[in-house]
Amino acid sequence: EDKVVQSPLSLVVHEGDTVTLNCSYEVTNFRSLLWYKQEKKAPTFLFMLTSSGIEKKSGRLSSILDKKELFSILNITATQTGDSAIYLCAVLRSGGSNYKLTFGKGTLLTVNP
Amino acid sequence: DTEVTQTPKHLVMGMTNKKSLKCEQHMGHRAMYWYKQKAKKPPELMFVYSYEKLSINESVPSRFSPECPNSSLLNLHLHALQPEDSALYLCASSLLVGGSQYFGPGTRLTVL
Repeated sequence: EDKVVQSPLSLVVHEGDTVTLNCSYEVTNFRSLLWYKQEKKAPTFLFMLTSSGIEKKSGRLSSILDKKELFSILNITATQTGDSAIYLCAVLRSGGSNYKLTFGKGTLLTVNP
Repeated sequence: DTEVTQTPKHLVMGMTNKKSLKCEQHMGHRAMYWYKQKAKKPPELMFVYSYEKLSINESVPSRFSPECPNSSLLNLHLHALQPEDSALYLCASSLLVGGSQYFGPGTRLTVL
């Protein structure tokens, strides 16, 4: 059975802090790992990672994948109150015409002023 | 146009009703998805369409019936639902299966 485990489950920081969110996985036929941010509405796509060791960056957010150790991290530098959200990690596997996306339970990040 | 739209925003239905949820995108994406999300839980994938063909998810009950009339539209037909089916139903699309997914705002469904 596919597993995606995120840690920590929740995190409270102050504005300006740097945070690192973790996602480890056990899947067969791994295809890609995706990060999402979810506030009160639908998830917003952040990153898709397919190759090991290549950092993806978008502003203060960055993410990297380690396919050997089966994990990914999401870094947020100089956090702002608007970064408060649930951050979801999901792993896609595929084989032939089958396709499955498994989400972790998410990390609830609270950034206090 | 970089939007995925969903209608209706809210839906209340009885267990004997038949209703449909609609999703539309005009980004030229060839993969479209239906997710179900319960409160405080991550989304659960229900169906995937790739080039208007369904990739079946066996764990979805038959009272949920997807339809992809063309590459821009995705419907979810609902019939004889149960109260436990109440949830946020999210549609998403990506250029190809496995690509960056763009989500619609969701339909909040309540089954009485």
